[in-house]
Amino acid sequence: DVVMTQSPLSLPVTLGQPASISCRSTQSLVYSDGNAYLNWFQQRPGQSPRRLISKVSKRDSGVPDRFSGSGSGTDFTLKITRVEAEDVGVYFCMQGTHWPVTFGAGTKLEIK
Amino acid sequence: EPQLVDSGGGVVQPGGSLRLSCEASGFTFTSHWMAWVRQAPGKGLEWVANIAQNGSEKYYIDSVKGRFTISRDNAKNSLYLQMDSLRVEDTAVYHCVNYGIFDVWGRGTMVTVSS
Repeated sequence: DVVMTQSPLSLPVTLGQPASISCRSTQSLVYSDGNAYLNWFQQRPGQSPRRLISKVSKRDSGVPDRFSGSGSGTDFTLKITRVEAEDVGVYFCMQGTHWPVTFGAGTKLEIK
Repeated sequence: EPQLVDSGGGVVQPGGSLRLSCEASGFTFTSHWMAWVRQAPGKGLEWVANIAQNGSEKYYIDSVKGRFTISRDNAKNSLYLQMDSLRVEDTAVYHCVNYGIFDVWGRGTMVTVSS
């Protein structure tokens, strides 16, 4: 199975400051169609996961543009330009290129 | 608005059984593969099983093969997970989700296996 390694696992951030989460895979996530099926999810306390970004960088409807995804091959990043209080929660990456789908361990973002 | 409401969790002894349910609304349930994903306490998310739109294909993580059965009733817009021979390591919050797209998630139902 493809292992997804996230870092850091804990991310204290000051309000208004940027944040960055790394996700690395043990195999390239480029599928035969040329797409990389790498998703990012946010899970706020007490809520179900919410997809933020699909295919590396495609932001879901309603997701603030302070969230962005980038990367290629085996190395991916989620960035938040200016952290707001509502961004507190756990962020997961997930690969859907190889069977079975696998998830990163999660990065807990908190306000410093 | 698309929604999944999962239920059926509880506390059960090792070797016991539980049946999880997930009711869909606000989207075309019959167009989607569906899945169960679990999250053990303090751990990350783990895919458990998924099922094709018409139920003809089913796949499971190795650790639950022969013990869990995924099924669906398209007339009721519902997904199920029959869990038998439960083990302590099956303790987790179980979420239903539209497999492949992963943009609609249930809130999760807690399964605790403990003596």
